[in-house]
Amino acid sequence: DGGITQSPKYLFRKEGQNVTLSCEQNLNHDAMYWYRQDPGQGLRLIYYSQIVNDFQKGDIAEGYSVSREKKESFPLTVTSAQKNPTAFYLCASSTARGNSNQPQHFGDGTRLSIL
Amino acid sequence: QQPVQSPQAVILREGEDAVINCSSSKALYSVHWYRQKHGEAPVFLMILLKGGEQKGHEKISASFNEKKQQSSLYLTASQLSYSGTYFCGTVGGGNQFYFGTGTSLTVIP
Repeated sequence: DGGITQSPKYLFRKEGQNVTLSCEQNLNHDAMYWYRQDPGQGLRLIYYSQIVNDFQKGDIAEGYSVSREKKESFPLTVTSAQKNPTAFYLCASSTARGNSNQPQHFGDGTRLSIL
Repeated sequence: QQPVQSPQAVILREGEDAVINCSSSKALYSVHWYRQKHGEAPVFLMILLKGGEQKGHEKISASFNEKKQQSSLYLTASQLSYSGTYFCGTVGGGNQFYFGTGTSLTVIP
């Protein structure tokens, strides 16, 4: 079955540590997105990528980094510069490439907490 | 550029109707609607692509008024399974996607 796989489901970060969240899709989608969701809040865009080897910052990119070396994969690194990383992180993909007319499909998310 | 939704929260009894509104300060070319159950990922409901377009999904439908830069989601004869948080979404500058502020919907027996 096609879909988006995020791992791990739960992640704990020690102070000063970088951690990487995995996002893999087998939907052959061009565009991929990372969102952060705080409790009771909406989704805020961290980074997005419309094509391999290219990505753009969203509204809250500070303290995060991404790479897009393969179409299927869009890992997110939460760096030590992100002082408040505790949140629910959602990865999504769509067939859109510069096109707003396609739905986004989401993974099940990763819950990140500080130890 | 984040769309603003109203109301922020609504509680319904089973069988009642509800309307959720989504307004943007920028021109809208398309509007997405998603529903998120507690602790889960958002699930796509529908996209409206043209001004005046209306779409339906079971007993959930939506309209899009491009001129007013608004979209509304209509839930009729609500069921317990409709509970969740509803988000609209639009594309802004640089093809960045913006989710709305969200509306929490609770359906009680």
